[in-house]
Amino acid sequence: EVHLVESGGGSLHPGRSLRLSCTASGFTAFTFGDYAMHWVRRVPGKGLEWVSGISGDSDITYYSDSVRGRFTISRDNAKNSLFLEINSLGPEDTAIYYCAKVAETSNPGYYFDSWGQGTLVTVSS
Amino acid sequence: QLVLTQSPSASASLGASVRLTCTLSSDHGDYAIAWHQRQPEKGPRFLMKVNSDGSHRKGDGIPDRFSGSSSGAERYLTITGLQSEDEADYFCQTWGNAIQVFGGGTKLTLL
Repeated sequence: EVHLVESGGGSLHPGRSLRLSCTASGFTAFTFGDYAMHWVRRVPGKGLEWVSGISGDSDITYYSDSVRGRFTISRDNAKNSLFLEINSLGPEDTAIYYCAKVAETSNPGYYFDSWGQGTLVTVSS
Repeated sequence: QLVLTQSPSASASLGASVRLTCTLSSDHGDYAIAWHQRQPEKGPRFLMKVNSDGSHRKGDGIPDRFSGSSSGAERYLTITGLQSEDEADYFCQTWGNAIQVFGGGTKLTLL
């Protein structure tokens, strides 16, 4: 069973930058690089918002309109790790950030079949 | 525009059954979706993928009480024999060209 663990969240002032990490484990027949990965966030009390996705080989990256230009997704397959760089943090970025693994493919355009437990980012002056 | 619509809330009694609905936007009625569950204070959990023909593929360890089906642009999640741990948020997900979309989620309350 694939296990995803996010880290790097915290409380920050507006305008600061942050790097979130997601470490994956539990791969058996396939490797971390065989699967696309995504970041999704949830504002407490609200629904889920897709943030960004990346292909298994990092060739393809996707961003939602609300974060494009400020967020950068990347991965290190040798370390089974996924990252999200967030610049110019604003109060609207306050949320729990989850990483999610795509089922069956290295293409980002498919459904998610594993999730992490999330890491909380709070932006406040 | 690719949109998923869910009712904000649903309620049912312990031991009863409930069917949750996720509706795809017009022009996207043949899309597959995935159902996920988020219990309080936990990360989301993948339940199943539901195709337009009603076939579905469940995640590892998902009980037989959970099933999926389809009718037109509607995708359903049916839970039978409701248990206390089923009280959770349920949301659907679909995917398009360079985009992932989530429904607003349905909060299931057990009476």
